[in-house]
Amino acid sequence: NAGVTQTPKFQVLKTGQSMTLQCAQDMNHNSMYWYRQDPGMGLRLIYYSASEGTTDKGEVPNGYNVSRLNKREFSLRLESAAPSQTSVYFCASIRGQGHDTQYFGPGTRLTVL
Amino acid sequence: QKEVEQNSGPLSVPEGAIASLNCTYSDRGSQSFFWYRQYSGKSPELIMSIYSNGDQEDGRFTAQLNKASQYVSLLIRDSQPSDSATYLCAVGGGSNYKLTFGKGTLLTVNP
Repeated sequence: NAGVTQTPKFQVLKTGQSMTLQCAQDMNHNSMYWYRQDPGMGLRLIYYSASEGTTDKGEVPNGYNVSRLNKREFSLRLESAAPSQTSVYFCASIRGQGHDTQYFGPGTRLTVL
Repeated sequence: QKEVEQNSGPLSVPEGAIASLNCTYSDRGSQSFFWYRQYSGKSPELIMSIYSNGDQEDGRFTAQLNKASQYVSLLIRDSQPSDSATYLCAVGGGSNYKLTFGKGTLLTVNP
């Protein structure tokens, strides 16, 4: 049981390049989330998927797209990376029944030059 | 815009002391409250959750919730150097299980 996994762990992009961050969970969780964490800013929600087949914007969605590929996988795409997207990206998931909490992946550290 | 505010820190306490971390939230409809611990370079991990007014204890950790005052706190008794980390307060509510996080408080426990 690996929990929440993310790939890659580190990435350096040039301005304008595109890339997809991958997230997968093996806990049969229904909901998945993408956050970014910047120094002094805490965790901010980019997009989330409450259930397979649905996605919704969070607090800071501009410049990102997401795909809930199936129940296990939720990817985050940067179509044209900008230096302002330099951040640490975390994926999280939750079963979504009763009292429950989100479990986080190890993160992807992205630098955009 | 839902807001979660934490005491700015950093907070420094000697080993064996009680560390007190505080959090206030703006949305009166919030139903679930969490404290996550985050070591430098690592992902957040849940240490306490609380859903009703009062205290919730787990080992050296006690979470306190006062919905009337919109206030959540975390007490760490007998603080250890291994408790040195950033502590994130998170508040949730609603069927989508979204969380709003505070900016975190950096705690340093000095041997």
